Amino acid sequence: GQQVMQIPQYQHVQEGEDFTTYCNSSTTLSNIQWYKQRPGGHPVFLIQLVKSGEVKKQKRLTFQFGEAKKNSSLHITATQTTDVGTYFCAGGTSYGKLTFGQGTILTVHP
Amino acid sequence: DTEVTQTPKHLVMGMTNKKSLKCEQHMGHRAMYWYKQKAKKPPELMFVYSYEKLSINESVPSRFSPECPNSSLLNLHLHALQPEDSALYLCASSLGGYNEQFFGPGTRLTVL
Repeated sequence: GQQVMQIPQYQHVQEGEDFTTYCNSSTTLSNIQWYKQRPGGHPVFLIQLVKSGEVKKQKRLTFQFGEAKKNSSLHITATQTTDVGTYFCAGGTSYGKLTFGQGTILTVHP
Repeated sequence: DTEVTQTPKHLVMGMTNKKSLKCEQHMGHRAMYWYKQKAKKPPELMFVYSYEKLSINESVPSRFSPECPNSSLLNLHLHALQPEDSALYLCASSLGGYNEQFFGPGTRLTVL
């Protein structure tokens, strides 16, 4: 079945360092979405990528969708303590269904 | 109103109990979802309702019974659960298709 792999599982950084998480799908995706879940919270939508090779930026966050629409990445520049949480990618496969990656738990040390 | 609400926030039940989880949204979304999330794991899709009809059931055991009384409400009826069913149950809604999903705060369920 559809699988979306995400690495790394954990990332510990010092405040001010950069952070990147990667997603890879076993099949071509229709789109990819990114969510953030704060500790004790619920997933919150960050962004959606639809086009092959698409790059989108939100302040310090940069999202990329691969040319083959099978991989994606999220890069955070100069992390802050407010960036702490779990970042999930979620691939759109069957109509209306998202398959979530395993998530990357980000810890930022002040 | 861009919020999905869920009640109760916490629920403790025995294996012989019957309980229900409730979810509500007033964003005019026509798709609603139930997910199960274990600690340090991603949300796992359970059910999808589209225009008040069940469109996806991810082979969920029959002790979980979803219901969509109208386009704003989604229930999950629980009966004869097992301790391994203890988890965070998340409701979400969207415009459908590949649109972004709005998640509620979840119900933290403990089965004794």
